[in-house]
Amino acid sequence: DVKVTQSSRYLVKRTGEKVFLECVQDMDHENMFWYRQDPGLGLRLIYFSYDVKMKEKGDIPEGYSVSREKKERFSLILESASTNQTSMYLCASSRRGSGKGEQFFGPGTRLTVL
Amino acid sequence: AQTVTQSQPEMSVQEAETVTLSCTYDTSESNYYLFWYKQPPSRQMILVIRQEAYKQQNATENRFSVNFQKAAKSFSLKISDSQLGDTAMYFCAFRSQGGSEKLVFGKGTKLTVNP
Repeated sequence: DVKVTQSSRYLVKRTGEKVFLECVQDMDHENMFWYRQDPGLGLRLIYFSYDVKMKEKGDIPEGYSVSREKKERFSLILESASTNQTSMYLCASSRRGSGKGEQFFGPGTRLTVL
Repeated sequence: AQTVTQSQPEMSVQEAETVTLSCTYDTSESNYYLFWYKQPPSRQMILVIRQEAYKQQNATENRFSVNFQKAAKSFSLKISDSQLGDTAMYFCAFRSQGGSEKLVFGKGTKLTVNP
């Protein structure tokens, strides 16, 4: 079974803190994604990576950065957390060029910024 | 840019009955994938069913089936014999076959199955 894990299920941080959200997948997938999920807005793509050290902006990259130093790990960084970044963050991975096109999701991190 | 629209924010159904969730999308491409994902309360998002646009036959997975109308750009999900465990958020998603492999999601439909 594909497994995508995220470092925390719940996280509480203060405004202005630097926040790291970690995601690890164990299926040697090339592609990894970070989404933000808010009620009524669905999932919105923040950043994605199709290879080590490669990254591309998604639809809402402002206020976020990412790091992919190893193939299995994709980190989302909030340089200076703000209250409007309180949300559920989902990580996903997929095999590049897969004929099935499916992404596999982690359990999510619910981040609260006070 | 592709867009995905789910026009039903919330739906409910009685246990053992059938329910259909709607999804429409907009694209100028001819080859793509469509997905329905399920997110149970406080649990992980999982794939329910997948459809390749080049396939005319509608996909089926046990109690879940789709009605794929390519010309109308419609991709509805039918759940037969609804069970309490079907209570979840359901997201419709689109992915191009080539190029970027990112998913474009609809805003979701919250489905409640009542006993």
